[in-house]
Amino acid sequence: EPEVTQTPSHQVTQMGQEVILRCVPISNHLYFYWYRQILGQKVEFLVSFYNNEISEKSEIFDDQFSVERPDGSNFTLKIRSTKLEDSAMYFCASSAWDRVSVEQYFGPGTRLTVT
Amino acid sequence: DAKTTQPPSMDCAEGRAANLPCNHSTISGNEYVYWYRQIHSQGPQYIIHGLKNNETNEMASLIITEDRKSSTLILPHATLRDTAVYYCIAEYGNKLVFGAGTILRVKS
Repeated sequence: EPEVTQTPSHQVTQMGQEVILRCVPISNHLYFYWYRQILGQKVEFLVSFYNNEISEKSEIFDDQFSVERPDGSNFTLKIRSTKLEDSAMYFCASSAWDRVSVEQYFGPGTRLTVT
Repeated sequence: DAKTTQPPSMDCAEGRAANLPCNHSTISGNEYVYWYRQIHSQGPQYIIHGLKNNETNEMASLIITEDRKSSTLILPHATLRDTAVYYCIAEYGNKLVFGAGTILRVKS
């Protein structure tokens, strides 16, 4: 069964450093998403991406964040200058297309620890 | 996105049906009801969704009331591996808004 994969599983970085989180969505999916979950809190939407551009983003997704689909398979989330409060699990998801009802498939997540 | 209300936690005996309720009294006509679950710290897992009619798949059944103000997710024969946080989401479009969900504990 196809699945979303994410690398690395755990990333430790120092405050102020740039990090890139990588995701390989399910191959025939067209919509891609990033969510995050701070320890003990709710899963929060960050951004959705379609046709090589952002289709929606949340207030959390400020100028420090960017997304990219650099090739036909990878989808990345970049945080330019990490802060302590960026420590969280980051989940990538993908879906077949943006119909009115659509199920999203999530990856296992990357745990980001900012020290 | 409509606000959903779920009980914070529920227990279920292994092998019995788990019935998880969700209230979405302000749901609009074009919003679907989705159920996801999250086992420990893994990524959320899609379970089922529906608009008006009851739905069934290999994982669960979804019962939506006629007025669409509430729904129930049914896991017909719960196992210990079904212990997880279950999220009910009412949504139109492709942004999922997760609440706190219901912690389901399946006990032997």
